[in-house]
Amino acid sequence: NAGVMQNPRHLVRRRGQEARLRCSPMKGHSHVYWYRQLPEEGLKFMVYLQKENIIDESGMPKERFSAEFPKEGPSILRIQQVVRGDSAAYFCASSPDSFTDTQYFGPGTRLTVL
Amino acid sequence: LAKTTQPISMDSYEGQEVNITCSHNNIATNDYITWYQQFPSQGPRFIIQGYKTKVTNEVASLFIPADRKSSTLSLPRVSLSDTAVYYCLVGDLLSSNTGKLIFGQGTTLQVKP
Repeated sequence: NAGVMQNPRHLVRRRGQEARLRCSPMKGHSHVYWYRQLPEEGLKFMVYLQKENIIDESGMPKERFSAEFPKEGPSILRIQQVVRGDSAAYFCASSPDSFTDTQYFGPGTRLTVL
Repeated sequence: LAKTTQPISMDSYEGQEVNITCSHNNIATNDYITWYQQFPSQGPRFIIQGYKTKVTNEVASLFIPADRKSSTLSLPRVSLSDTAVYYCLVGDLLSSNTGKLIFGQGTTLQVKP
């Protein structure tokens, strides 16, 4: 059973461009979470999604950031008009049936904004 | 969610037992205690979870005293590959309507040869 997959693993963008980060949860998992880890800091929750629904986006910046988890396909974290402060590692996690289940993390996408 | 306090860093040598203590004075009745491990350039990995007394799995043991205001993660006979950041998380996973995990700064464990 493959683990949580994220791509790309490394992403370089120039200021003002868009960044799209993809997350394929483990097979059978219907809950997806996104976290961000800034350099030398701990992980911060961003958003919690189930298929076609955003359950909790309390950690998402108000502007430029959006997330989706469509019925088919991976979850997407989209950052519009990136700025240097968006440079970070973005981790996706998934859990099977409930938010009470253990979360399994992917390897992360490292975004660098030039 | 209860705030946690753990040492910023710890050093150990191969073959030793390592105990990392986490303080959570404001832990609530329904809160569980969960530990994650994170290697450099990787996502966190679940290690162990408990509510009270002692929990043991193939990786670690978790000791929780009766008052539950602290917990200790015990790693038996560490190796160089156990060098990582260890996070203690406390939260009520049952009554909240979201699964968000609140990570602190964690404890950076450095295992030396």
